[in-house]
Amino acid sequence: QVQLVESGGGVVQPGGSLRLSCAASGFTFSSYGMHWVRQAPGKGLEWVTFIRYDGSDKNYADSVKGRFTISRDNSKDTLYLQMNSLRAEDTAVYYCARKTGGRYCFDYWGQGTLVTVSS
Amino acid sequence: QSALTQPRSVSGSPGQSVTISCTGTSSDVGGYNYVSWYQQHPGKAPKLMIYDVSERPSGVPDRFSGSKSGNTASLTISGLQAEDEADYYCCSFAGNYIHVFGTGTKVTVL
Repeated sequence: QVQLVESGGGVVQPGGSLRLSCAASGFTFSSYGMHWVRQAPGKGLEWVTFIRYDGSDKNYADSVKGRFTISRDNSKDTLYLQMNSLRAEDTAVYYCARKTGGRYCFDYWGQGTLVTVSS
Repeated sequence: QSALTQPRSVSGSPGQSVTISCTGTSSDVGGYNYVSWYQQHPGKAPKLMIYDVSERPSGVPDRFSGSKSGNTASLTISGLQAEDEADYYCCSFAGNYIHVFGTGTKVTVL
């Protein structure tokens, strides 16, 4: 069955960096686009970034553009999110989610990893 | 990339119907037939309930239905059940891989 497992969350100081990973299994990872979506404590969902199945194209929410970088290693079935210049408002649970093939939605989600930006 | 507008909360008794609205703009909801809805129970990951405005993934009960008119999409839950109590989020494609989520609605089963 499809599984997405995020890791790499933790506590980081403002201005610091963190890299999240999302290990995929149960499907052909290299055939699917992938997203990162985040949720601040007690708040709603916010789309963060997307990468095409082959890594050839990406886009970012304005709130993270220039600070976050999405990437993937299809040989390792793993998605990444490099987060630099972190701010308090980046504190959230970060979910990786699979783009439904041929559709514009998210059909499978990981369990999330918590990132806390605090001094 | 402003969040889509949803009511903070809706409620209904078991067996009743509730409808959640999701209002955007012509750049997102009104511009594409790519509205999806997600159910989220506390402490859990979101679950896809509706995609492409009104399509249900396999396994989602037919009590859940979606529609759209202009810049506003709607999710209707008919025959409300206790397990439907959760937060619900709409989401719209907004071009160039960008997606916008709604503000979220808490559904309470009385």
